[in-house]
Parts: sequence; C-alpha cells; structure tokens
Amino acid sequence: SQKIEQNSEALNIQEGKTATLTCNYTNYSPAYLQWYRQDPGRGPVFLLLIRENEKEKRKERLKVTFDTTLKQSLFHITASQPADSATYLCALADDYKLSFGAGTTVTVRA
Amino acid sequence: DGGITQSPKYLFRKEGQNVTLSCEQNLNHDAMYWYRQDPGQGLRLIYYSQIVNDFQKGDIAEGYSVSREKKESFPLTVTSAQKNPTAFYLCASSIALPLNNEQFFGPGTRLTVL
Repeated sequence: SQKIEQNSEALNIQEGKTATLTCNYTNYSPAYLQWYRQDPGRGPVFLLLIRENEKEKRKERLKVTFDTTLKQSLFHITASQPADSATYLCALADDYKLSFGAGTTVTVRA
Repeated sequence: DGGITQSPKYLFRKEGQNVTLSCEQNLNHDAMYWYRQDPGQGLRLIYYSQIVNDFQKGDIAEGYSVSREKKESFPLTVTSAQKNPTAFYLCASSIALPLNNEQFFGPGTRLTVL
C-alpha cells in the first residue's frame, strides 16, 4: 500500500540551530514533492516545490532535498527562530492530486 | 485581496442532519479541492474539480457531495451517511492540477457532530 511517513515525533530545537525533517514514501512515483507549513487551526501554506530531477532547492533559510532512489525528502530550516514553530507537511504530487504526510511539529525555543 | 474563504469557521450539527460548507475563491483558479484533516493524520482528499461543472471523487468521498456550478465556488455537503463527520475541513485551489502547481488553502471549517 502507499505510505508517506514523516518524523514520528515532534522536534524541539534551540533557536539558531538547524531543524531537519524527513519525509519517506513507499509505492509512490511522484513527479513533484511539495512542503507546506500549517499553524494550529489554520490552513496549510505552501513553502517549496521540488521536481524529481532536482536534487536540492533553497528559499531563504529553507532547503529541500529529494532523493528518488532512497524515496526520501529532507527539509531543513537553518538559523531557526521561534516564529518557525509550526507543523510542516510534505505532499507528493501525481497526475491529479496531492497526497499528504501527517506532518512534523517543530518547536523552536528562544 | 485574492484568496480563499470558507464559512462558517465553526459548525455544529446534530446526528442525522445534512450540512453544507462554503468555499469561495477569487484567484481565478480552475482546480478546487476539499480535504478532511483528523488529529495525527495527513490531509485526505474528499473531492476535486478541474473545471466548472466537473468533479471527481477523491480517496474518501463516501457520505459527501459537491457541486461546481461557478468557477469561484465549490460547496461541500456532509450528508447523514457520513459515519464520522467530526473533523477539520479544508478547501484549496490551484491554477490547474497539482502536478506543478502549489495549492492555496482556505482557513478551514471545524465541524462537530453533537
């Protein structure tokens, strides 16, 4: 069966450190992978999209990697800030829909 | 301001009642989606629509119905046939199908069945 797994536990890190989140998938062949941020009680907000032929993508303090051999994406938040505290969702895109992981909750301590 | 609006923010329903959740977008997007989110689970696709007057079932369509009579509107009806309707419902839109396009989400409607 198809499965998308993100870090099973919440991530607590000190301000200024790098947070690394994982997204592993099985029985998918996504052409694209997207990352979203969701704050409590609100809708997700798009952060980054990476294509299957791209190894790495950056946007400000965010970096995403996509390894189709390992079937894994890593999401990094560098120089983390308390405002980065949220739940981060990975989503795999096929022809007509996005399939979402359950998300990883990140808390950045000041 | 362009965006997606959902109403109401909170909705309470008695068992056996149908209820309709509103979703409106002014982004001129062709594709619209409804998701359900339960604690500890990822978003699950209920229905999606690529274009006006056309919609398709997602992964968990049973007990739900939709219509797409206007480009900007995609209402979701939760029927009494839905066995466990208490959840957070999210509407989204994108320029076209999600293959290369980000989705824009509304603020959500939290439905509670009493």
